[in-house]
Amino acid sequence: DTEVTQTPKHLVMGMTNKKSLKCEQHMGHRAMYWYKQKAKKPPELMFVYSYEKLSINESVPSRFSPECPNSSLLNLHLHALQPEDSALYLCASSQDRSEVAGGLNTGELFFGEGSRLTVL
Amino acid sequence: GEDVEQSLFLSVREGDSSVINCTYTDSSSTYLYWYKQEPGAGLQLLTYIFSNMDMKQDQRLTVLLNKKDKHLSLRIADTQTGDSAIYFCAESMGYNTDKLIFGTGTRLQVFP
Repeated sequence: DTEVTQTPKHLVMGMTNKKSLKCEQHMGHRAMYWYKQKAKKPPELMFVYSYEKLSINESVPSRFSPECPNSSLLNLHLHALQPEDSALYLCASSQDRSEVAGGLNTGELFFGEGSRLTVL
Repeated sequence: GEDVEQSLFLSVREGDSSVINCTYTDSSSTYLYWYKQEPGAGLQLLTYIFSNMDMKQDQRLTVLLNKKDKHLSLRIADTQTGDSAIYFCAESMGYNTDKLIFGTGTRLQVFP
């Protein structure tokens, strides 16, 4: 299984709603990521979890709250979002460098298909 | 800065070669990557090159790396209509390969 599965594929929410995006991988990867991609723009890194611990937070507003319940799952909790938060949210996973002899891996990211979020 | 620049658009005829260029910023990047994104989909790794290499060939794909100029290119031989997509280069930030910075993306359009 070389897939990263994201749900839901589409989400429409109001600014007062609370919702969650979910991501799952069964490749045994120890690093998982959330990226945000606006139309016609490159993906922008939001969060990285390594061994279920938050290792990178790219100064993301607190209305986005990540959670890593176990090594296969990654959630992104959404609350009080703004219309400008509408975007494609991509989850990715990669093999952690410490799992590869020599301590360096290619850093290949395996991406899900994304969750397209619209905030009204 | 962390800007990784690419030309916005490239149009080629089916069967011709495509060359997509990228200028990156971090001279300590260990790996540089090319990802492909089809409409409405996530990103798929096409190929990568380690920073101590000048060239890497993988079937129809050839990657050239000029470290002095921080310039990376992707050549697709015998371009097909199925190659139409957005192509992103990406650089790892130093030895921390957990963080990738993506280029601005090049939309490749292949016409018959």
